[in-house]
Amino acid sequence: DTEVTQTPKHLVMGMTNKKSLKCEQHMGHRAMYWYKQKAKKPPELMFVYSYEKLSINESVPSRFSPECPNSSLLNLHLHALQPEDSALYLCASSQPGDGGPGELFFGEGSRLTVL
Amino acid sequence: DAKTTQPPSMDCAEGRAANLPCNHSTISGNEYVYWYRQIHSQGPQYIIHGLKNNETNEMASLIITEDRKSSTLILPHATLRDTAVYYCIVRVRFNTGKLIFGQGTTLQVKP
Repeated sequence: DTEVTQTPKHLVMGMTNKKSLKCEQHMGHRAMYWYKQKAKKPPELMFVYSYEKLSINESVPSRFSPECPNSSLLNLHLHALQPEDSALYLCASSQPGDGGPGELFFGEGSRLTVL
Repeated sequence: DAKTTQPPSMDCAEGRAANLPCNHSTISGNEYVYWYRQIHSQGPQYIIHGLKNNETNEMASLIITEDRKSSTLILPHATLRDTAVYYCIVRVRFNTGKLIFGQGTTLQVKP
């Protein structure tokens, strides 16, 4: 199984809503990532979890709250978002340390629209 | 991590080799060159990586110059399905997290 599964694929929410994006992998990877991608732009790193601990937060606003409940799951909790937060949110995983080429495996993304 | 420079767009005829250049003149000795691609509306896909030797896998070949300041990704027989944005990234191997995407090259394979 070399898949990273993201749900939902599409999400529309109002600025006062609370929603969550979910990501799951069963490759035994111990590093998981959230990226944000606006149209016609490259993906931008948001958060990194390594061994279920938050290791990198790229100065992301607090209205985005990541959570890694176990080594297979990664959530991104959304609250009080702005229309400019509309984007494709990509999850990825990799094996940290000397366990392979270190490539990231990406999911297909969750396309978020904030009204 | 070092920055990379890629041409914004390239065309290639179907069946011909696609050669995508990347400049990484500030690369450090412990940084690898990684290539990813992103087909429209999909997540990025790992293609290949290398340190200083040329590398080949089932998808592509990677040629790195001797001074390591530039590299070329080669798709030997491009198909229409290879139309995508190709990203060249340099990073310390096993550096958890800091996979930073540049602007990439949009490759259009034409029939």
